[in-house]
Amino acid sequence: AQTVTQSQPEMSVQEAETVTLSCTYDTSESDYYLFWYKQPPSRQMILVIRQEAYKQQNATENRFSVNFQKAAKSFSLKISDSQLGDAAMYFCAYTTNAGKSTFGDGTTLTVKP
Amino acid sequence: EAGVAQSPRYKIIEKRQSVAFWCNPISGHATLYWYQQILGQGPKLLIQFQNNGVVDDSQLPKDRFSAERLKGVDSTLKIQPAKLEDSAVYLCASSRSPPGTGVNEQFFGPGTRLTVL
Repeated sequence: AQTVTQSQPEMSVQEAETVTLSCTYDTSESDYYLFWYKQPPSRQMILVIRQEAYKQQNATENRFSVNFQKAAKSFSLKISDSQLGDAAMYFCAYTTNAGKSTFGDGTTLTVKP
Repeated sequence: EAGVAQSPRYKIIEKRQSVAFWCNPISGHATLYWYQQILGQGPKLLIQFQNNGVVDDSQLPKDRFSAERLKGVDSTLKIQPAKLEDSAVYLCASSRSPPGTGVNEQFFGPGTRLTVL
């Protein structure tokens, strides 16, 4: 069974600074998908960024980028120019070709003004 | 487009009672998911539907949990009888892609917060 580990229960960043959230996963598959989702307090979970395992190029979405290391089974999220609205819980999710997702236990990000 | 709708938003019941949750996915989304999210943890998949068929229910406690997706649209999740450890947020999500055709993001509903006393 796949497992997803987020080793940082809490992270803190100063507004306008950069922060990196870590995620590692375990799988024997070669083709899969990885996602980062954001869950603001009392609000719905939304997609931040996605990465297909067959793509070598790291995904980027505005201030959000990933560092995907397939051999190391690592998928970290970098948030640049952090904003107050980035404060949330961030979940890393591994998803199979059949669409089955396994989530990590999340990292709570605090943004300090 | 309208998002994923869930009801009720909150529910408090006594242990051994039954409870049902309802989900209406985004129109046209083939895949529907039910997750259980215990406080401080990530969502855990309970069941995955494609249209009105079950794709994966390996983590669904079938002695007390049941789910159905009528006509490939709305879905209900039922717990009977509830236990204290069932206290959690139950999330419904939907995705455009049927399994095997490429994987798209999941769109989540607001969740139902269940408290079992």
